Amino acid sequence: EAEVAQSPRYKITEKSQAVAFWCDPISGHATLYWYRQILGQGPELLVQFQDESVVDDSQLPKDRFSAERLKGVDSTLKIQPAELGDSAMYLCASSLSQGRGNEQFFGPGTRLTVL
Amino acid sequence: GEDVEQSLFLSVREGDSSVINCTYTDSSSTYLYWYKQEPGAGLQLLTYIFSNMDMKQDQRLTVLLNKKDKHLSLRIADTQTGDSAIYFCAETQGSNYKLTFGKGTLLTVNP
Repeated sequence: EAEVAQSPRYKITEKSQAVAFWCDPISGHATLYWYRQILGQGPELLVQFQDESVVDDSQLPKDRFSAERLKGVDSTLKIQPAELGDSAMYLCASSLSQGRGNEQFFGPGTRLTVL
Repeated sequence: GEDVEQSLFLSVREGDSSVINCTYTDSSSTYLYWYKQEPGAGLQLLTYIFSNMDMKQDQRLTVLLNKKDKHLSLRIADTQTGDSAIYFCAETQGSNYKLTFGKGTLLTVNP
């Protein structure tokens, strides 16, 4: 069964360091999403790609976060410099396309701890 | 304020029915979703309902939608210990149909 892959599964870093997360969506899925889930909260959309283009990055803290999906397939989310408040689960999801009713399939997530 | 609201905890006995409730605010939401998250894992889509429907049933799951009150519920029949997880309600918003999630309801099933 096709799955969304993410790595690493866990990352511990010190504040002010740079971190990067990788996501490989299900083959053929044009839409890719990065979510941040703080403990005890629901996921919050950080950025949405349609192929290689950003559709929505309104909640992405652009002073320290960046995301790219250069070839419209896999994607990288970067934080530089990391802050204590960035500790969270970072979830990647993909869907066949954006639009109503398109099921989003989630990866297992990357748990980030900033010390 | 919170766009999607859920009660935070629910505890039931194995074999009983569970009902998880959710209220949302965006009357233009076209699809409403229920996701399940087990500890340390990603989210799994359980079911969704289109806004012109009142009810949807899928095996042990029944979704009820009251569009007038903007109230959504998920009923799990014959709840099993494997159903213990966090359940998230989500609505679609905006032209890109982004999902807005509630804080989740922790369902604990006691043997």
